[in-house]
Amino acid sequence: QTVVTQEPSLTVSPGETVTLTCASTTGPVTSGSYPNWLQQRPAQAPRALIYSTYSKHSWTPARFSGSLLGGKATLTLSGVQPEDEADYYCLLYSRDGVVFGGGTKLTVL
Amino acid sequence: QVTLKESGPALVKPTQTLTLTCSISGFSLSTSGVRVSWIRQAPGKALEWLGRIDWDEDTFYSTSLKTRLTISKDTSGNQVVLRMTNMDPVDTATYYCARELRTGVAFYGMDVWGQGTTVTVSS
Repeated sequence: QTVVTQEPSLTVSPGETVTLTCASTTGPVTSGSYPNWLQQRPAQAPRALIYSTYSKHSWTPARFSGSLLGGKATLTLSGVQPEDEADYYCLLYSRDGVVFGGGTKLTVL
Repeated sequence: QVTLKESGPALVKPTQTLTLTCSISGFSLSTSGVRVSWIRQAPGKALEWLGRIDWDEDTFYSTSLKTRLTISKDTSGNQVVLRMTNMDPVDTATYYCARELRTGVAFYGMDVWGQGTTVTVSS
């Protein structure tokens, strides 16, 4: 069964750039897994940020970008803002259906 | 405006069957390419996909939970129902529904989520 792994936590200073990764135990993440990225602030529902690897929803801030690198899906935040402090989840579509990563808790200090 | 809203009991007893409803507006589950997924999140834990129903009423379930789950839609197409049998305290979680949209040129994934409904399993 597919397991999707993410960094448990990352800390970044405002204005810096940070990259979160999303890996699969079944092999390299590809565009065929349609990687999605979600943001979840405390006590809120998840909010979609990125779909199909790098595409942004109309509400996604420009500082968020998605890509594939080194066999992983990545989410890059360029010029982190204090309001970006949240949990970030990737999800992959697989033969098992949809698999979520364990999430990355991003702290902005 | 596309919205989804979950509703159902806040408390269920062990061994009971949970029934949750996802009320949708701003889109139709009868439209080709539209799907609705159910996802849950135990307190302090990651998101977990439960299953989904497609516009053509095909259903797909998490391998680990498929024997306990049924997802259906009502005849109006405005509500999606999740049934989970034999509830256990480990099923205590916030349950979300989310729209998935696939068109001829793009797959938007889970683009819009409901606010979630919290279910506690306890005697």
